[in-house]
Amino acid sequence: DVKVTQSSRYLVKRTGEKVFLECVQDMDHENMFWYRQDPGLGLRLIYFSYDVKMKEKGDIPEGYSVSREKKERFSLILESASTNQTSMYLCASSSPSGPIPLYEQYFGPGTRLTVT
Amino acid sequence: RKEVEQDPGPFNVPEGATVAFNCTYSNSASQSFFWYRQDCRKEPKLLMSVYSSGNEDGRFTAQLNRASQYISLLIRDSKLSDSATYLCAVNKGGSYIPTFGRGTSLIVHP
Repeated sequence: DVKVTQSSRYLVKRTGEKVFLECVQDMDHENMFWYRQDPGLGLRLIYFSYDVKMKEKGDIPEGYSVSREKKERFSLILESASTNQTSMYLCASSSPSGPIPLYEQYFGPGTRLTVT
Repeated sequence: RKEVEQDPGPFNVPEGATVAFNCTYSNSASQSFFWYRQDCRKEPKLLMSVYSSGNEDGRFTAQLNRASQYISLLIRDSKLSDSATYLCAVNKGGSYIPTFGRGTSLIVHP
């Protein structure tokens, strides 16, 4: 079974703090993703990575950065947390499978971040 | 038009009912299709990939209609434990990046 873990389930930070969210997957997947999920807005892609040290902006990268120094680990950084970054943050990983190929996503349990 | 659209619901059905959701997509180059299930305050989990010929897994059946650009999920004999939000996801051809719908909420009541 694919396992994706995230460093914290709940986090409370103050405005202006630097925040690190860590994600680790144990299935040697090439692709890793960071999303945020807010009520009524669904899943929104922040950043993704297809290889070590490679990163690409998703739909809402402003205010965030990422780091992928090892294949299994993908970190999301909030340089200066703001209240509008209060959200559920979900990490996911994927790898091609099957002849098509399919890229089924496997999610971590999420980090519920509150910025006060 | 949004890339991937779902009726948010909620769909309120009694136990034992059959319920179906659709998910429409706008990009005709889409190649891979998925259904995920998300329980309240939990992460999405893959329910099933959707194949061109349709596929079935127990009480769940997924279908793809390329001509009309939608996928469907049929749940037979609904259980209380099927209550969740069902997200569809669509990948463009050759892409590993999915576009998710906002989800359809299902509530199964006794």
